Amino acid sequence: EVQLVQSGAEVKKPGESLKISCKGSGYSFSSYWIGWVRQMPGKGLEWMGIIYPGDSDSRYSPSFQGQVTISADKSISTAYLQWSSLKASDTAMYYCVRHAGYWGQGTLVTVSS
Amino acid sequence: QAVVTQEPSLTVSPGGTVTLTCGSSTGAVTSGHYPYWFQQKPGQAPRTLIYDTSNKHSWTPARFSGSLLGGKAALTLSGAQPEDEADYYCLLSYSGAWVFGGGTKLTVL
Repeated sequence: EVQLVQSGAEVKKPGESLKISCKGSGYSFSSYWIGWVRQMPGKGLEWMGIIYPGDSDSRYSPSFQGQVTISADKSISTAYLQWSSLKASDTAMYYCVRHAGYWGQGTLVTVSS
Repeated sequence: QAVVTQEPSLTVSPGGTVTLTCGSSTGAVTSGHYPYWFQQKPGQAPRTLIYDTSNKHSWTPARFSGSLLGGKAALTLSGAQPEDEADYYCLLSYSGAWVFGGGTKLTVL
């Protein structure tokens, strides 16, 4: 069974860094892309970017280029989304999703002073 | 970046049929956009109903189907149930750059 399990909720202060994770199981992790999706409170889904774990090639939506970093460690079947300096506007639910539409359960990130 | 358009809201009667569409600012949607359709209910993660235009998962109710219709991707719900009331999002690929539509709020009334 394909599963994506994300790391737990985070509460951070503006300016802090953060790295959240998405661990895949039940399939060949290197063979399928993983994307990251943002959903701000009460809003729609936004595509942030994608990574191909086999070669770690990553691509970003223009709105998120330079704002986050997507990476993966295929040795532990885990993809990551990280921020170097969080803003209050980064408060949102973040989902990972795999090719063919397998979703993680979401990670709630709250940024507040 | 391309803009993907969906109907903001639709209403369907219980047992009725409704088609949600997904258009692209760049022109006709084709199978090369690998359209996805997701359902999201309040407080829940999105659930994939359709991928690659018309492929279903084991959990996709048979009353949902995906197709290309009139230059758009389409999600048809035949025999709407009260539990189908939700937000629906489409997702299109533009040579590996993916873009969501704004979502359709479907009311079953």
